Formats: sequence, structure tokens, C-alpha cells
Amino acid sequence: EDQVTQSPEALRLQEGESSSLNCSYTVSGLRGLFWYRQDPGKGPEFLFTLYSAGEEKEKERLKATLTKKESFLHITAPKPEDSATYLCAVYGQNFVFGPGTRLSVLP
Amino acid sequence: SAVISQKPSRDICQRGTSLTIQCQVDSQVTMMFWYRQQPGQSLTLIATANQGSEATYESGFVIDKFPISRPNLTFSTLTVSNMSPEDSSIYLCSVDRGDNEQFFGPGTRLTVL
Repeated sequence: EDQVTQSPEALRLQEGESSSLNCSYTVSGLRGLFWYRQDPGKGPEFLFTLYSAGEEKEKERLKATLTKKESFLHITAPKPEDSATYLCAVYGQNFVFGPGTRLSVLP
Repeated sequence: SAVISQKPSRDICQRGTSLTIQCQVDSQVTMMFWYRQQPGQSLTLIATANQGSEATYESGFVIDKFPISRPNLTFSTLTVSNMSPEDSSIYLCSVDRGDNEQFFGPGTRLTVL
């Protein structure tokens, strides 16, 4: 059974304080790993897709990386508007979401 | 990306009643999905809405409780039947245009009293 865990559950950063969010997964036949951002009361917003170990993608202050067992979402010099819940999902036999990391960036 | 709308955006319903949620996409898509997100939790896939055939349900979800229609490639409905307070949740539709990337609608917030 495909499984996804995320850590930490919640993270509080000062503006400009870089950090990383972790997504660990167990999947038979990875067809893709996805990162989403979700603001309160809204649907998830697509950020990245990663397909194979070693792949990296960047968008503004975010960078996603992938290994055979986990993915990291690196946030460089975050701003308060980066505050949100970040969800990781894997597509193997099914599309499975992790529980998310609630990020708060304080000014 | 795709522009996805859902109706209603929120509703408050009495137990024992049913609610139908609509999902409209601005372009034809092959795959449409319905998810549930219970308060403070992540997303759980309910079913895949197949055009021209019955929906494919995930373990723990049944057609009698969550009937789904997919009359064409831009529209789907999810009905939450015989509701109880445990059905209070956000219901989200998503689409996959064929490249495994899913885009989500804004969600329908359902409260059952």
C-alpha cells in the first residue's frame, strides 16, 4: 500500500529564515511526486511534479528535490505570504496525499 | 493549468438529506476526481469520475452514499446522500489533463447539522 508521511507537522519561521520540509514515501512504481500549497478555505494549488530520483525543480523561493525514498521542499528566505499548508502527494497505484506541513512565516 | 469551478461553495444541510455538488472545467479533460478533506486533515480520494461509465470508488466509499455523474468531458457531479454530521467536510474536485498533474477546484464546504 502506498504511503506518504510529512515532517514536521508544523513549522514556524522568521521572515528570511530558510528551512526544508520533508516528504517520505513508500510506493510501488512511482509515477510522480507532487507538491501543493493550500491556503485556508481554498483548494490545493499545484507547485511541482518530480518523476525520478535526482530531479530538482525551482519556483521563486521554493525548490523541490527527490530521492528514492523522500522529497524535500526547500524554502529560501521565506516571506509571510509563504505561510500555508504544504502537501506532498505520490502517484503509484493510486494518488495518495500526505498529511501536510503547516508553515507560518512571521514578519 | 485548468480553471475549475464548484457549486455550491458552501452549504449547511440537515441530517438525512442529500446534496449534489457540481464541478465545471473550462476545457475537456480525461480524468476527473472527487476528494474529501475533513477538518484539519489531508485529502482522501473518494472516486474517479469516468466519462461514459460508472465511477471507480476507493476503499471505504460506495456508490449508494456518493453517487457520481460524468455526462461529458467538462462536467461532473458528486452527491452526498443521506447525510450525517460525519459527512461534514470540504469536498474537492480535481482534473488531470493526461500528464498526471492534478489541478483542484476551490472546494465545497459542507456542514451537516
